[in-house]
Amino acid sequence: DSGVTQTPKHLITATGQRVTLRCSPRSGDLSVYWYQQSLDQGLQFLIHYYNGEERAKGNILERFSAQQFPDLHSELNLSSLELGDSALYFCASSAGTAPLEQYFGPGTRLTVT
Amino acid sequence: AQSVTQLGSHVSVSEGALVLLRCNYSSSVPPYLFWYVQYPNQGLQLLLKYTTGATLVKGINGFEAEFKKSETSFHLTKPSAHMSDAAEYFCAVSRSGGSYIPTFGRGTSLIVHP
Repeated sequence: DSGVTQTPKHLITATGQRVTLRCSPRSGDLSVYWYQQSLDQGLQFLIHYYNGEERAKGNILERFSAQQFPDLHSELNLSSLELGDSALYFCASSAGTAPLEQYFGPGTRLTVT
Repeated sequence: AQSVTQLGSHVSVSEGALVLLRCNYSSSVPPYLFWYVQYPNQGLQLLLKYTTGATLVKGINGFEAEFKKSETSFHLTKPSAHMSDAAEYFCAVSRSGGSYIPTFGRGTSLIVHP
């Protein structure tokens, strides 16, 4: 158990819909990272938050947004969903701003039908 | 820009045999290098990392990797495979271009035969 929790575990929704994925980092970790894992793209970095502030953006679509709250949990919002958004979404946390050791959650499997 | 190439999407070994998973990277500055393991239906778990210092890095579960700058490689090895080692293994590089966000390889699936 990494100490990182993600909810829900599975999510099935229809095209055009909006969903919210939730992540709670390991106790004491201030950084949260979101990744998308799919068969064709592999593991892609989406966005990084440190102590509530956005620190880095990766290949995140404009339809996707995220935030980190004062209690350090983070939410990833995916809107206008398309079939191609079906993937595993991982959250990871680390203590500082540099991810020298990331702890990954179990992931949320999103299926868009 | 930084990138990672993992040679072989699948590697099959017999139980007790040597495990060798290959990783080559490209980076414009001295890299930080990582190996992560992903078991079915789980998130990634850090096996080992190289930042500075000794180029032979030991990790968990008997795995080790050697940073070879001249070959731009960071291959993962284990002397004797166990059935429990069957998983997906990811190599990652970070630090290039001022970004510490790691770039991951496509992964290598390790299959262990009894």
